[in-house]
Amino acid sequence: QQNVQQSPESLIVPEGARTSLNCTFSDSASQYFWWYRQHSGKAPKALMSIFSNGEKEEGRFTIHLNKASLHFSLHIRDSQPSDSALYLCAVSGSGTYQRFGTGTKLQVVP
Amino acid sequence: NSKVIQTPRYLVKGQGQKAKMRCIPEKGHPVVFWYQQNKNNEFKFLINFQNQEVLQQIDMTEKRFSAECPSNSPCSLEIQSSEAGDSALYLCASSRTGTGNTLYFGEGSRLIVV
Repeated sequence: QQNVQQSPESLIVPEGARTSLNCTFSDSASQYFWWYRQHSGKAPKALMSIFSNGEKEEGRFTIHLNKASLHFSLHIRDSQPSDSALYLCAVSGSGTYQRFGTGTKLQVVP
Repeated sequence: NSKVIQTPRYLVKGQGQKAKMRCIPEKGHPVVFWYQQNKNNEFKFLINFQNQEVLQQIDMTEKRFSAECPSNSPCSLEIQSSEAGDSALYLCASSRTGTGNTLYFGEGSRLIVV
């Protein structure tokens, strides 16, 4: 049974800081990895996905995946107050639904 | 704004009452998912459909929950007899076919069972 854990639970950073969020998973057969962001009262929205080991960058966001370590992470460069939200990681394997972590609440203060 | 439309946004039910919520998936997305997000932000997968057929569902869904995605009508999730522990945000998401596809979520239906 897949277990997805996120750390930290919450985080407060100053505007302009680099933010790092972590996600670990238990099933080594996992194949697909996402980060979603959910602003308060809004729908979760996909930020980025990665399907092979390594790094992927899109704008201020970078995702790292290390399947051997059962770990992936999201890094936000130059954090903005608008980045304040709940960040959710999700993992799936072939033919399975996405399993989510319980999120990291990020607050970026001006 | 989300292209997955969920109604109602809020519903308040007494224990034992039925609770029904609806979802219109994004156009062109044949796969629909229902998740329950509780107050601790735990996402529990409930059921998913491809077109009108159930792909996967958990035990809880089989017992007290019923769901369908009829052709040319909104998908729906119904709790037959609401319990206090069912109070949560029910999120509908849709995606393209195949695994490894991103989920597109609606804003959810918040159920409060009193």
